[in-house]
Amino acid sequence: DTEVTQTPKHLVMGMTNKKSLKCEQHMGHRAMYWYKQKAKKPPELMFVYSYEKLSINESVPSRFSPECPNSSLLNLHLHALQPEDSALYLCASSQDTIRVDQPQHFGDGTRLSIL
Amino acid sequence: AQTVTQSQPEMSVQEAETVTLSCTYDTSESDYYLFWYKQPPSRQMILVIRQEAYKQQNATENRFSVNFQKAAKSFSLKISDSQLGDAAMYFCAYRSRLQGAQKLVFGQGTRLTINP
Repeated sequence: DTEVTQTPKHLVMGMTNKKSLKCEQHMGHRAMYWYKQKAKKPPELMFVYSYEKLSINESVPSRFSPECPNSSLLNLHLHALQPEDSALYLCASSQDTIRVDQPQHFGDGTRLSIL
Repeated sequence: AQTVTQSQPEMSVQEAETVTLSCTYDTSESDYYLFWYKQPPSRQMILVIRQEAYKQQNATENRFSVNFQKAAKSFSLKISDSQLGDAAMYFCAYRSRLQGAQKLVFGQGTRLTINP
């Protein structure tokens, strides 16, 4: 069982829809991450939150809007996505961004398809 | 900037045999962490093993061990007694030890197939 829970597992949406991806962890971690992964490629970092504050935005288009309401929860709000945004979206958490020896724990991901 | 290279896009091994996945990296830093992650079809990235660059002893986790050659910037993963459940995509990853370093730099991955 994964300790990082992502919902939904699968999402199909049109380019004009608004939807959100949710990620939750109860390990007391204070760093949370969003990654995008295309088929047969490694994950690409999108955002990093540290103590509920956005610390890294890897030049992600504004149609992706992250939110960290509390230390256990991370959302990714989606609006006006493009077909090339179809991918697996992975959430991860780690103890914090200072203890770099601590590994990131990943969720199962949300498979997103844009029609 | 650091880079990680996995030169074997695909590997296959017979069940119960041993296989080695290669990984090389490029960095100007002297202290860092290296990881191997496994991603089965279930999609979750699972940490397999971790190596601290300042430790000369190679890390071992049950059937998984690494051959860390710091001077050669090489970090290979050896899987002994391969099992069907080992079939997955394997990613090598680098993380700087500098304070504030928040990125994992991944290699392109190696798809491992286990033949029964």
